[in-house]
Amino acid sequence: AQTVTQSQPEMSVQEAETVTLSCTYDTSESDYYLFWYKQPPSRQMILVIRQEAYKQQNATENRFSVNFQKAAKSFSLKISDSQLGDAAMYFCAYRSAVLGGADGLTFGKGTHLIIQP
Amino acid sequence: DGGITQSPKYLFRKEGQNVTLSCEQNLNHDAMYWYRQDPGQGLRLIYYSQIVNDFQKGDIAEGYSVSREKKESFPLTVTSAQKNPTAFYLCASSSGYGTEAFFGQGTRLTVV
Repeated sequence: AQTVTQSQPEMSVQEAETVTLSCTYDTSESDYYLFWYKQPPSRQMILVIRQEAYKQQNATENRFSVNFQKAAKSFSLKISDSQLGDAAMYFCAYRSAVLGGADGLTFGKGTHLIIQP
Repeated sequence: DGGITQSPKYLFRKEGQNVTLSCEQNLNHDAMYWYRQDPGQGLRLIYYSQIVNDFQKGDIAEGYSVSREKKESFPLTVTSAQKNPTAFYLCASSSGYGTEAFFGQGTRLTVV
């Protein structure tokens, strides 16, 4: 079974600064997908960014980018120019790409991101 | 608007009663999922369904049941066998392997 670990229960950053959220995972599979989701106080889960394991290039979405290190099984999220609206819980998630295997996302326990004005 | 609708948003039940949470999607997605979220925890998978009339247990299926009679609908029943049912429940759907999951707004279940 796969596991996802987020070692930072809470992070704080000044508005307009850059912050990096850590995520490591454990799997014996070679093909999979990784995601970062954001959960604001409304509790709506919102996809932030997605990475395919077979791609070496790190995914980017505007101010959000990842550092994907497949050998180290590490998948960190970098938020540049932090904004007050970025304050939320951030969850790292793993999804297998093995057809016919177990489906569903495996989540870490989350990192609570605080943005200080 | 396309999306996933969960109802109700808040649900209160007495201990020992079964309760059914609704999840409907109009995204034409084949796969649907139920997750449970507890304070300080990530989301944990209860059940999932990849096709109509078929579903599989997730990591914490005990005390729960589901059905998938229609592509659009995937209701979750929390039975009296679930020892600690008070939690936030999230329904999700996806169009296939490797694609991201889209989530509903959740149902907060409180059992008293």
